[in-house]
Amino acid sequence: DVQLTQSPSSLSASVGDRVTITCRASQSISIYLNWYQQKPGKAPNLLIYGASTLESGVPSRFSGSGSGTDFTLTISSLQREDFATYSCQQSYSNPSFGQGTKLEIK
Amino acid sequence: QVQLQESDPGLVKPSQTLSLTCNVSGGSIRSGRYYWSWIRQSAGKELEWIGRVYTDGSTNYSPSLKRRVTISMDTSKNQFSLKLNSVTAADTAVYYCARGATGASPGLWFDRWGRGTLVTVSS
Repeated sequence: DVQLTQSPSSLSASVGDRVTITCRASQSISIYLNWYQQKPGKAPNLLIYGASTLESGVPSRFSGSGSGTDFTLTISSLQREDFATYSCQQSYSNPSFGQGTKLEIK
Repeated sequence: QVQLQESDPGLVKPSQTLSLTCNVSGGSIRSGRYYWSWIRQSAGKELEWIGRVYTDGSTNYSPSLKRRVTISMDTSKNQFSLKLNSVTAADTAVYYCARGATGASPGLWFDRWGRGTLVTVSS
């Protein structure tokens, strides 16, 4: 099974900051990597698929990059509504998720 | 717009079978290249994929749950279902149904989700 490790586990930032979250896979997974945003009490919401393709309706301040084992999610200028938990997910083998990164207001 | 809604079993006793249904509206579960999936999340933990049923009825399960899980679809009701037997407290979680999509990019991503339903295993 492919294990995904996100870093950091939590992050404090301010509105307007540029933020980067990392997801590392235990083996090469090409670009079979997706990103989700989840707010408390809500279902996850797809942001990025195929490592870098923005899901329809997702603001362009979100971007993804990477291939192989190392991937990043970047938010170019944080907005108040972006404070949430972000998770990566791979589909190279049976789907699995990272442990999540909680993004909090500084 | 496709929408998914889980049933609400609430409390399940240890050793019994957890049964959930996901009602799909706004589109047919028989059409397209979609994998209708179940995913759960225990309090404070990461999301865990349970398994999926494809539009042709074929299934695939997480190896860690495979012995206890059955996922099926009822095309006449536009629903798919999860049965997890011999439950313990470790199966207490929020259970989500989700649509797994494929397309021009490689891989599978979950682009539609139900709101989730909390299932508690307790006597």
